[in-house]
Amino acid sequence: AQSVTQPDIHITVSEGASLELRCNYSYGATPYLFWYVQSPGQGLQLLLKYFSGDTLVQGIKGFEAEFKRSQSSFNLRKPSVHWSDAAEYFCAVGGGNAGNMLTFGGGTRLMVKP
Amino acid sequence: DAGITQSPRHKVTETGTPVTLRCHQTENHRYMYWYRQDPGHGLRLIHYSYGVKDTDKGEVSDGYSVSRSKTEDFLLTLESATSSQTSVYFCAISTGTGSTDTQYFGPGTRLTVL
Repeated sequence: AQSVTQPDIHITVSEGASLELRCNYSYGATPYLFWYVQSPGQGLQLLLKYFSGDTLVQGIKGFEAEFKRSQSSFNLRKPSVHWSDAAEYFCAVGGGNAGNMLTFGGGTRLMVKP
Repeated sequence: DAGITQSPRHKVTETGTPVTLRCHQTENHRYMYWYRQDPGHGLRLIHYSYGVKDTDKGEVSDGYSVSRSKTEDFLLTLESATSSQTSVYFCAISTGTGSTDTQYFGPGTRLTVL
């Protein structure tokens, strides 16, 4: 069975500091990996996705993520956090299954200190 | 914006009453999904559809039914609502037709069962 673990439930960083959100997955086939962001009271917005090829993928809002097959990880990074990045972030794995079903991690809530 | 709307956006109901949530898309995507979001659990798939009248169960389908009589509409029904079904419900569509599709989400419906 596929699963996603986001070990950090809450993270607080100062504005301008770098950020790394962790995501570990378990998947029996080639994983397709996604990061979504959710602002309070909003739906989920796609930040970036990995299907194949270059293991470092660029997304919107200055985010990037690196796929490391040996570590079953897909960590999200940003070099300099802005106050508007405060939100909840979800990692998801899927692909290659009937219905293209996604399995989500429990989420990481990011707070940004001024 | 994937042209997804959900109605109602908020609903309060009583235990034992039937509830139907509607998801509407404007772009004729084949795949549609219903998820529920609960703290600490991320999003969990309830049901999905791969075409008109074609549906299948997800991870947490007990107590829910779905219908899709038109490409653009995907309905989620709680036949007899329970307090454990208090949650935020998200509809999603999947672009394309292959396993590398990307899911895009609607704005969500907050349901409270008293």
